[in-house]
Amino acid sequence: DVKVTQSSRYLVKRTGEKVFLECVQDMDHENMFWYRQDPGLGLRLIYFSYDVKMKEKGDIPEGYSVSREKKERFSLILESASTNQTSMYLCASRDSTNTGELFFGEGSRLTVL
Amino acid sequence: DQQVKQNSPSLSVQEGRISILNCDYTNSMFDYFLWYKKYPAEGPTFLISISSIKDKNEDGRFTVFLNKSAKHLSLHIVPSQPGDSAVYFCAAAGQTGANNLFFGTGTRLTVIP
Repeated sequence: DVKVTQSSRYLVKRTGEKVFLECVQDMDHENMFWYRQDPGLGLRLIYFSYDVKMKEKGDIPEGYSVSREKKERFSLILESASTNQTSMYLCASRDSTNTGELFFGEGSRLTVL
Repeated sequence: DQQVKQNSPSLSVQEGRISILNCDYTNSMFDYFLWYKKYPAEGPTFLISISSIKDKNEDGRFTVFLNKSAKHLSLHIVPSQPGDSAVYFCAAAGQTGANNLFFGTGTRLTVIP
């Protein structure tokens, strides 16, 4: 079974703090994604990566950056957290076959005070 | 602007009856559609998909119908079971395997025993 692991299930941070969300997948997938889920807005794509050191902006990249130094690991960085970044963050991965199916981690719920 | 819409935020169904979850989209370039199921405190899991060359895809109790002219798809669950209680997201992609999936806002299904 594909496993996508997010390092923190729950985080509480203060405004202005730097936040790292880590994601690791164990199926050698080329593509990795970061989404955020908010009530009434569904899942929105922040960034994705199709290869090591490669990244592409999604629909809502402002206030975020990402890092993919190794194939299995994709990190989401909030340089200076703000209260409007309080959300559920979901990491996903997918291989390069044409199915579109994403495998998600369990999510990281971030609260910014 | 939401390109994939799920207009019913919630649905309650009696156990054993049919559940019908609906999804509309606006972009005629979408040609691959997926349904995901999400339990609380877990990441979404893939349920079923359909390509635009089909109008129906079936997997056990789950059937997805696609009406391209109406830009509408629906998920039928028959018979509904209490374990089906979850939030269901539909998603659409512009080409099979395309990196960016556009998600709807989700419908919370409650199956009453």
